[in-house]
Amino acid sequence: RKEVEQDPGPFNVPEGATVAFNCTYSNSASQSFFWYRQDCRKEPKLLMSVYSSGNEDGRFTAQLNRASQYISLLIRDSKLSDSATYLCVVNSRYNQGGKLIFGQGTELSVKP
Amino acid sequence: SQTIHQWPATLVQPVGSPLSLECTVEGTSNPNLYWYRQAAGRGLQLLFYSVGIGQISSEVPQNLSASRPQDRQFILSSKKLLLSDSGFYLCAWSRTGKGKGTEAFFGQGTRLTVV
Repeated sequence: RKEVEQDPGPFNVPEGATVAFNCTYSNSASQSFFWYRQDCRKEPKLLMSVYSSGNEDGRFTAQLNRASQYISLLIRDSKLSDSATYLCVVNSRYNQGGKLIFGQGTELSVKP
Repeated sequence: SQTIHQWPATLVQPVGSPLSLECTVEGTSNPNLYWYRQAAGRGLQLLFYSVGIGQISSEVPQNLSASRPQDRQFILSSKKLLLSDSGFYLCAWSRTGKGKGTEAFFGQGTRLTVV
């Protein structure tokens, strides 16, 4: 089993739609969780951290469910510019920052 | 502010040739450092990570190696490249500690093509 698994995608949605991505992780000792965005042929960039209480940043909402070991990302009112690959990231060891493990990514394509 | 530099941006190397990719971080001390590889259309595979000078953890057996000769310098090497080594190589750093604030920041990547 992979340490971090994501929906395979691709997700093709119209502008204005709401889309949700899920991600599961296997290491129950994981302490940090993030969502990254990666544009084609570019490096990944941090979209948002995921906190235990859930957090929101504009149209983006992240949730963490420790009991079920999954995190989610909700994008409301999708824009064309949201088209990218979204990567779930988990800090899989509880030590000096540990190692950051990436999911395979979910491709989102927002159409006019 | 912190910055990370990775070079070169693009590299074409023949099979069997050596490889050396360098990454440096500025504006922070004692960072965790990472090398990832991304094959075309795939996710990021963690190759190596380091929590301090001379401390390297290898995640995947392969013909690559990493070294950390200085606190903010991370080098990825190979003595003889294989065709399967082609990919997008990304260096990243994160703060040490636990929990919040340990997200990774990436360099711009090196696109390696082995021919």
